[in-house]
Amino acid sequence: KQEVTQIPAALSVPEGENLVLNCSFTDSAIYNLQWFRQDPGKGLTSLLLIQSSQREQTSGRLNASLDKSSGRSTLYIAASQPGDSATYLCAVFPTDSWGKLQFGAGTQVVVTP
Amino acid sequence: DARVTQTPRHKVTEMGQEVTMRCQPILGHNTVFWYRQTMMQGLELLAYFRNRAPLDDSGMPKDRFSAEMPDATLATLKIQPSEPRDSAVYFCASGPHAGEQFFGPGTRLTVL
Repeated sequence: KQEVTQIPAALSVPEGENLVLNCSFTDSAIYNLQWFRQDPGKGLTSLLLIQSSQREQTSGRLNASLDKSSGRSTLYIAASQPGDSATYLCAVFPTDSWGKLQFGAGTQVVVTP
Repeated sequence: DARVTQTPRHKVTEMGQEVTMRCQPILGHNTVFWYRQTMMQGLELLAYFRNRAPLDDSGMPKDRFSAEMPDATLATLKIQPSEPRDSAVYFCASGPHAGEQFFGPGTRLTVL
């Protein structure tokens, strides 16, 4: 059974510092990996989608890498801002479970001014 | 800007009442998912559809929950009768294929 782990569970950084969020998964047989952001009391916002054949994906200050063989993905957020404060969720699409996302528990990020 | 929409956004009801939550997936998406989120359990998949056909509803309590897609623009999740333990945020998500999902804003349900 696929398990997705996110470390650390919580992170606090001063504004301007780069953020590094880690995600690991136990089974490398994945279709895609998707990073989400969730603000308190809100829905999940899709940040980046990495297909299994890709090594990384970039959008603005965000960069996500994928190493499928080692079961790892890392989300980098450059020059963090207070508006980046949120919970970040990593989710994988296992190839043996059509369409069913397997979520990590999330990393709660606080960026202090 | 295409988005998944959900109604109502908030619902407070009394135990035993029927609750219906609605979702409009993004036009053209052929997969629709219902999730429930609580502090204790995190995100749980309740049911999902492909091309309006139910594929899996094993995450739902069958005796009280039901999910349907009457047409391509509407998915519904019903709880009858509702119980306090059903209090949670219910999310709908849709996707253009099996490998990507976009979430709606959620329905916050409180059952008294």
